[in-house]
Amino acid sequence: GAVVSQHPSRVICKSGTSVKIECRSLDFQATTMFWYRQFPKQSLMLMATSNEGSKATYEQGVEKDKFLINHASLTLSTLTVTSAHPEDSSFYICSARDLGVPRSTEAFFGQGTRLTVV
Amino acid sequence: DAKTTQPPSMDCAEGRAANLPCNHSTISGNEYVYWYRQIHSQGPQYIIHGLKNNETNEMASLIITEDRKSSTLILPHATLRDTAVYYCIATADYNFNKFYFGSGTKLNVKP
Repeated sequence: GAVVSQHPSRVICKSGTSVKIECRSLDFQATTMFWYRQFPKQSLMLMATSNEGSKATYEQGVEKDKFLINHASLTLSTLTVTSAHPEDSSFYICSARDLGVPRSTEAFFGQGTRLTVV
Repeated sequence: DAKTTQPPSMDCAEGRAANLPCNHSTISGNEYVYWYRQIHSQGPQYIIHGLKNNETNEMASLIITEDRKSSTLILPHATLRDTAVYYCIATADYNFNKFYFGSGTKLNVKP
């Protein structure tokens, strides 16, 4: 089946630095990918919609200047957490759907990236 | 997207069927019902989805009421590895799987 891969799976960074998380669709093309954030013991929260070749669409309350999204190719979207602070520590997850498969309506999720800001 | 309501937790004995309910009383005619599960510290895993008819695959069965206001996910023979948080989501196909997750149901499968 289709696979979405995230890198890194875990990252620890110092407060004030920036961290980039990659989301790749390994065997399909995705014009649209989604980024979620999950705090401990909470549900996934949609952060933004990543659109290939255009600007991302952010959900209400998500700072677009802090969470930079780039979707430069049909198989890669990146999320950069800028000037990270401890409160940004969370589990970040991406998802994508293979629009090239007729009648495919299943979204595939990456394995997630655990970000810890110290 | 229609709001979904699920019980926060359920217990099930290993080997027995697990029936997880979901209420989506405001669902629109073009919204599908999706079920995903999340095992601790992993990305969500697709289980099944449907629009109006009941669906079955190798993992589970999805029973949707005739008025589409509620559905039930059935794991026919639960195992310890099925312990996870199960999410029921209603979304239109044109949203390309942009999901607004609810709080889900924590299923505890016990020996």
